[in-house]
Amino acid sequence: GDSVTQTEGLVTLTEGLPVMLNCTYQTIYSNPFLFWYVQHLNESPRLLLKSFTDNKRTEHQGFHATLHKSSSSFHLQKSSAQLSDSALYYCALGNNRIFFGDGTQLVVKP
Amino acid sequence: EAAVTQSPRSKVAVTGGKVTLSCHQTNNHDYMYWYRQDTGHGLRLIHYSYVADSTEKGDIPDGYKASRPSQENFSLILELASLSQTAVYFCASSVGTAGEQYFGPGTRLTVL
Repeated sequence: GDSVTQTEGLVTLTEGLPVMLNCTYQTIYSNPFLFWYVQHLNESPRLLLKSFTDNKRTEHQGFHATLHKSSSSFHLQKSSAQLSDSALYYCALGNNRIFFGDGTQLVVKP
Repeated sequence: EAAVTQSPRSKVAVTGGKVTLSCHQTNNHDYMYWYRQDTGHGLRLIHYSYVADSTEKGDIPDGYKASRPSQENFSLILELASLSQTAVYFCASSVGTAGEQYFGPGTRLTVL
């Protein structure tokens, strides 16, 4: 069945360093929608990025991701981490229904 | 601004008791969802609905029922609450499965 895999449960890095959170997916559908949601402590998840176009970079709030259908990937990146980026990040797949990955906790330290 | 509200915001229930969590959206969205989140863990889909009077099972439906009496309202029912159902429950709505999900503020449920 369809699924989303986020390989890192926890990513800890120092402020100013680049961020890369991995997301791969499996689906039988040829035109899936991929999402990144972010959840800060004691808040609700909210949409960060969304894409359905192959090989097109999508950007928002300093983060970017590119959907690569050839490798079934949608990794989240940022050039320089900020303390305020510390949060739980979910990758999600939308086709006939929504599928969330298990999430990656990002901790940015000074 | 899309709006999803949940009630109650927190609840303490006794084991074996019945619990109903309510969700209301003013977004005119067709899809609504119920998720649970355990401390330090990710979101897990319990039930969802894409039209009034119809619900679908998600990934962890056991022990939960859902009801969608209208497009705006979606309830989650725990007929016999158990300790293991202590969690934060989020409701969300979207336009189709390709649309952004708008989440409610969450309900913190504690079963004693």
